[in-house]
Amino acid sequence: QSALAQPASVSGSPGQSITISCTGTSSDVGSYNFVSWYQQHPGKAPKLIIYEGTKRPSGVSNRFFGSKSGNTASLTISGLQAEDEADYYCCSYAGSNTWVFGGGTKLTVL
Amino acid sequence: EVHLVESGGGLVQPGGSLRLSCAASGFTFSTYWMHWVRQAPGKGLVWVSRMNSDGSDRSYADSVKGRFTISRDNAKNTLYLQMNSLRAEDTAVYFCARAQDFGSGNYRYFDSWGQGTLVTVSS
Repeated sequence: QSALAQPASVSGSPGQSITISCTGTSSDVGSYNFVSWYQQHPGKAPKLIIYEGTKRPSGVSNRFFGSKSGNTASLTISGLQAEDEADYYCCSYAGSNTWVFGGGTKLTVL
Repeated sequence: EVHLVESGGGLVQPGGSLRLSCAASGFTFSTYWMHWVRQAPGKGLVWVSRMNSDGSDRSYADSVKGRFTISRDNAKNTLYLQMNSLRAEDTAVYFCARAQDFGSGNYRYFDSWGQGTLVTVSS
């Protein structure tokens, strides 16, 4: 099972918006509406920020927006804040009770 | 509040074995699927294994199949990962994570994570 493809890094200035892509295949992202996104600050545990491709768990800022088209999912963060600087990972259900993560994207807030 | 605490990590020689534990509290452990996810130093997250709520079903990533065994003791609110025939590439922080369905019945997401335990495989 190959990792989902994410850009290694993205950056943006405070107040701007950025989008992180996550490209899979017809066996994972393209086949299921079970895409999730996780935020991980250095030395910390990951935190779920998007599930079912577009939904936010309670307590997650509405500045985080998820979408999906075909084999590609995307995470958009609007109104960038310094605290958003972290690593972001997408994850997709891949069938037969297996999951696959993306390689991760490091977000730098300039 | 959900609390997951991993333990059992350490330094082990290639070919050796280690058993990780994940102590759960703050929720009804016996009703949730649970997972292990690992992260090699400086690298990304990799899904390792999953067990359903009553322990009757489990699944593994190809990279650990046949070497790792997931199990749970619902009376002790604890998840385990028995790791055998360890390789250098198994070196990672191992996280346990709770699966969540958000009411859909599809336990496809990881909504709570422990802080992880470091496993180092080296001679």
